[in-house]
Amino acid sequence: QLQESGPGLVSPSETLALTCSVSGDTIAGYYWTWLRQSPGKGPEWIAYVTYRGSGYNPSLKSRVSISVDTSNTQFSLRMTSLTAADTAIYYCATYSSGWSRALDIWGPGTKVTVSS
Amino acid sequence: EVVLTQSPGTLSLSPGESATLSCRASQSVSSTYLAWHQQKPGQAPRLLIHGSSRRATGIPDRFSGSGSGTEFTLTISRLEPEDYALYFCQLYTTAPTWTFGQGTKVELK
Repeated sequence: QLQESGPGLVSPSETLALTCSVSGDTIAGYYWTWLRQSPGKGPEWIAYVTYRGSGYNPSLKSRVSISVDTSNTQFSLRMTSLTAADTAIYYCATYSSGWSRALDIWGPGTKVTVSS
Repeated sequence: EVVLTQSPGTLSLSPGESATLSCRASQSVSSTYLAWHQQKPGQAPRLLIHGSSRRATGIPDRFSGSGSGTEFTLTISRLEPEDYALYFCQLYTTAPTWTFGQGTKVELK
C-alpha cells in the first residue's frame, strides 16, 4: 500500500516536498513513481526512482528531484519554483506486473494548492 | 514522445448498453505496454486492462481490450451503474516513461 503526505497549500515560488510511504514492501526492484493530475485532465507522470537510479519527465526535469529514504520504505519528491499551474492532486504509484509495467498500485493522492 | 488521443470525449449511454472507447497513439507502440484505467470522483485511477487485452485482477469480464499498432479499444459490454466514470489509456515506454490519454467520460444518458 502507498500513502502520500504533503503540505496541502504552498505559496507561489516556494518548494513542494511530498513523501510516499510504502507499507508491505520495500523499495527495491520495480519503479516507484510520482504523478499528478489537474482537474479534467489525464494523469501526468513526473518522475520515477528505483535502486538503480531515477528519471524525470523532460518537461519538469529542471524543477524536480526524487529520492529514496535510507529505510527503503519511503520515497520523496521535491519540486521548486511552484506556480498556480502546479496545483493538482499528486499521486505515488507503482506496478506489480513486471512484464506490462502498468501502474496498478496507487496511493489515494494528496491535493496540493499553490496560492498566496 | 508518443501522444495518446482518446475519443470520444464523452459517451452518453444507458445501463445495459455497450461502450466503445478509442485510444490512438501518435506512432506505433507495443501492445504489451498499453493499459486502461477507470477513475471515479475523488479516487485514484484503477487498472482495468494491461497488455492491451489482459484484465487486471478482479475486473469483471464485461470489460475487454483490443488493438495493436496505433489503435486500441476498450469495450464495456452491458453497462452497470458502477461503470459510469472516467477512463484513461496509459502507455509505458522503456525509457522508462508513463503517458496517459486525456480521458473519456462515460455518463448516464
